[in-house]
Amino acid sequence: QKEVEQDPGPLSVPEGAIVSLNCTYSNSAFQYFMWYRQYSRKGPELLMYTYSSGNKEDGRFTAQVDKSSKYISLFIRDSQPSDSATYLCAIGPDYQLIWGAGTKLIIKP
Amino acid sequence: EAGVTQSPTHLIKTRGQQATLRCSPISGHTSVYWYQQALGLGLQFLLWYDEGEERNRGNFPPRFSGRQFPNYSSELNVNALELEDSALYLCASGPRLSGANVLTFGAGSRLTVL
Repeated sequence: QKEVEQDPGPLSVPEGAIVSLNCTYSNSAFQYFMWYRQYSRKGPELLMYTYSSGNKEDGRFTAQVDKSSKYISLFIRDSQPSDSATYLCAIGPDYQLIWGAGTKLIIKP
Repeated sequence: EAGVTQSPTHLIKTRGQQATLRCSPISGHTSVYWYQQALGLGLQFLLWYDEGEERNRGNFPPRFSGRQFPNYSSELNVNALELEDSALYLCASGPRLSGANVLTFGAGSRLTVL
């Protein structure tokens, strides 16, 4: 079992839909939970960062951590074509993050 | 403010050759991380440098090496290239002794080994 698992997609949804992206992890000691967005031919950029547990909201984006289930989610409301990218989760005990393989998201106009 | 810059953008080598990739961090950043992003896989941590010293190393063979220069730029060397070394190599920088949670990534160098 991989330490961090993420469905590679692609996930294709119509513009305006609510998108749910998920990762599962195996080690209950992990405390850092992050979501990155990576556009084609670009490096990853940090979207959301949560330490320990709980929810965090930033505009159209909400990150949730469920430590009991070892499951994290990223929700995107009112999705836009510009949200089309690969979304990577990164989880870890400290600076040595373990990365998911990324979910490719396509928002259809 | 200039971001993290990496060169070359693309590099094509043959098996057994050596590749050198370069990274210039954001001004004021002293930490440089290197990652390998192979197709279909998550980013794999390669090396972490801070203030000229190697701070940590991922689970890669010794033919992956690097260094950090006094101006905090960094170089990744891959010797005896193998086909499976084909990947996007990402550099990220951060403030001194920063964790991976505050990094800014470059656009990467795509290495193709034939």
